[in-house]
Amino acid sequence: DGGITQSPKYLFRKEGQNVTLSCEQNLNHDAMYWYRQDPGQGLRLIYYSQIVNDFQKGDIAEGYSVSREKKESFPLTVTSAQKNPTAFYLCASSAEGGFSNQPQHFGDGTRLSIL
Amino acid sequence: AQSVTQLGSHVSVSEGALVLLRCNYSSSVPPYLFWYVQYPNQGLQLLLKYTTGATLVKGINGFEAEFKKSETSFHLTKPSAHMSDAAEYFCAVTLDDTGRRALTFGSGTRLQVQP
Repeated sequence: DGGITQSPKYLFRKEGQNVTLSCEQNLNHDAMYWYRQDPGQGLRLIYYSQIVNDFQKGDIAEGYSVSREKKESFPLTVTSAQKNPTAFYLCASSAEGGFSNQPQHFGDGTRLSIL
Repeated sequence: AQSVTQLGSHVSVSEGALVLLRCNYSSSVPPYLFWYVQYPNQGLQLLLKYTTGATLVKGINGFEAEFKKSETSFHLTKPSAHMSDAAEYFCAVTLDDTGRRALTFGSGTRLQVQP
């Protein structure tokens, strides 16, 4: 079945440590997205990529980094500069990005906590 | 700047009662509109979308939504609530926001269904 796979489901970070969240899709979608979800705040866009080797900052990119070397993969690194990383992270993809009527498909998320 | 407002962070209904979840948006151009549902510790699942054409949109699980341009609204309804409808619901819009083209989500409405 086609879909989006996020791993791990739960992740713990120590102070000063970088961690990387994995996101893989086999939907052959061009666009991929990372969101952060905090209680009562909905989803906030961290980074998005409309095509391989290109990505753009979202609303809350500080303390995060991404790469898009392959169409199917869009890993997110939470760096030590992100002082409040505890959240639920969601990866999504869509057939095309931009001002599009294509819906986004979501993975099941990674819950990141600070040790 | 674009915005999406979901009125009521929590809504409680009795099983069998009408479900009404409100969504209003601000946009200078006709948007594409989506409703998503999220069950605990999972990603978001598309319920329905409005792109063009008929303003009453039917989705999965008996939900529907009506796009009212004059009221800039896209409220979600279901005639009869089931216990399985208990979840968090997000309205999202694609707006022609210069410099960034991605979905903007409302802050979510948690639906509780009482037996």
